[in-house]
Amino acid sequence: AQKVTQAQTEISVVEKEDVTLDCVYETRDTTYYLFWYKQPPSGELVFLIRRNSFDEQNEISGRYSWNFQKSTSSFNFTITASQVVDSAVYFCALSDLLQTGANNLFFGTGTRLTVIP
Amino acid sequence: NAGVTQTPKFRILKIGQSMTLQCTQDMNHNYMYWYRQDPGMGLKLIYYSVGAGITDKGEVPNGYNVSRSTTEDFPLRLELAAPSQTSVYFCASSYADRGSGYTFGSGTRLTVV
Repeated sequence: AQKVTQAQTEISVVEKEDVTLDCVYETRDTTYYLFWYKQPPSGELVFLIRRNSFDEQNEISGRYSWNFQKSTSSFNFTITASQVVDSAVYFCALSDLLQTGANNLFFGTGTRLTVIP
Repeated sequence: NAGVTQTPKFRILKIGQSMTLQCTQDMNHNYMYWYRQDPGMGLKLIYYSVGAGITDKGEVPNGYNVSRSTTEDFPLRLELAAPSQTSVYFCASSYADRGSGYTFGSGTRLTVV
């Protein structure tokens, strides 16, 4: 069965510290996609990154970086030099192929990050 | 470029009342989805649609109905509101590609009292 585990419910860091958000997944599929979304206090969901199961290269985008390891079924997210604007709930999600071909995103329970100035 | 637009943003319903949550997208996406987010939880799929006239149940469809008469619109109907339906509802759309990320609406916060 599809499952996404974000074991860290809440994390607090002081501004400029680095922080890593963990994501562990389970899937029966050999081809799948993993996503990270940010939900700031305003409530909307903002797409951050997509990674397919055949691409294990790490990715860096500014202060954000992602570490995908199939061997441990993990897709961790690191924020370098955190800023107050990074305070949000972060969701990891796994694609789940529905019968009609549509794509359900199976979400973890989220990690609430608070960056203290 | 509006993306996905949801209305209303907030609503309070009494038990047994009905309402429709509206969702419109202007990106010509074939796939549309309704999710609910309960406090401290991730999102769960209620219903989805792969095109006009085609809808199917997700993980938590009980108490809801949908229709998709056009590519742009995907309303969610609550027929007899119950306190268990108190949640934040998100509409999303995507291309017909498994790797496509979703574009989400801003959400509707619904309270049933």
